[in-house]
Amino acid sequence: GEDVEQSLFLSVREGDSSVINCTYTDSSSTYLYWYKQEPGAGLQLLTYIFSNMDMKQDQRLTVLLNKKDKHLSLRIADTQTGDSAIYFCAMEPDSSNTGKLIFGQGTTLQVKP
Amino acid sequence: NAGVTQTPKFQVLKTGQSMTLQCAQDMNHNSMYWYRQDPGMGLRLIYYSASEGTTDKGEVPNGYNVSRLNKREFSLRLESAAPSQTSVYFCASSPGGGETQYFGPGTRLLVL
Repeated sequence: GEDVEQSLFLSVREGDSSVINCTYTDSSSTYLYWYKQEPGAGLQLLTYIFSNMDMKQDQRLTVLLNKKDKHLSLRIADTQTGDSAIYFCAMEPDSSNTGKLIFGQGTTLQVKP
Repeated sequence: NAGVTQTPKFQVLKTGQSMTLQCAQDMNHNSMYWYRQDPGMGLRLIYYSASEGTTDKGEVPNGYNVSRLNKREFSLRLESAAPSQTSVYFCASSPGGGETQYFGPGTRLLVL
């Protein structure tokens, strides 16, 4: 079945750019998502990209999708301490359109002042 | 709008006890989901309900049952809790058809 992998931890300095990576084995997903989880809270949708796009920019966030390499990334420009959280990539495992999502393990982003 | 609400926030159970986790949404969404989150493993889908009156198994359904009581409410039941079910449980809802999922704040469950 579908497998989604993320590195577990990333540490950056405030003001630097952060790049969080996600690789997957197979996806018929129409959308690929990035969710953010702050400590003790549920997940909130950060951004998403349509599967026929290569890039999507949304203020400080840039999502890149390389379907040939099955690689998805999230770049956060000018990273702030408030960006410290766990970031999950997620996608549908098949084209059934049921909304079932497969999540990566989550990348903990630590932003040092 | 409260969005997705979950009760309780925390629960401690002894092995073998049963309990029901409650979830409700006020967004008139068709689809609802139950996930569990364990360290280093991301979120895994337990059960989902694509629409009122239907439920289907997800990736890790063993040891759980669900009820889609009405369009608003989707409950998760542990009939005989086991320590392996210690986790954080999240409920989510979406309009359906692969649209964005909205998550509740989670229930932290400890099984001793």
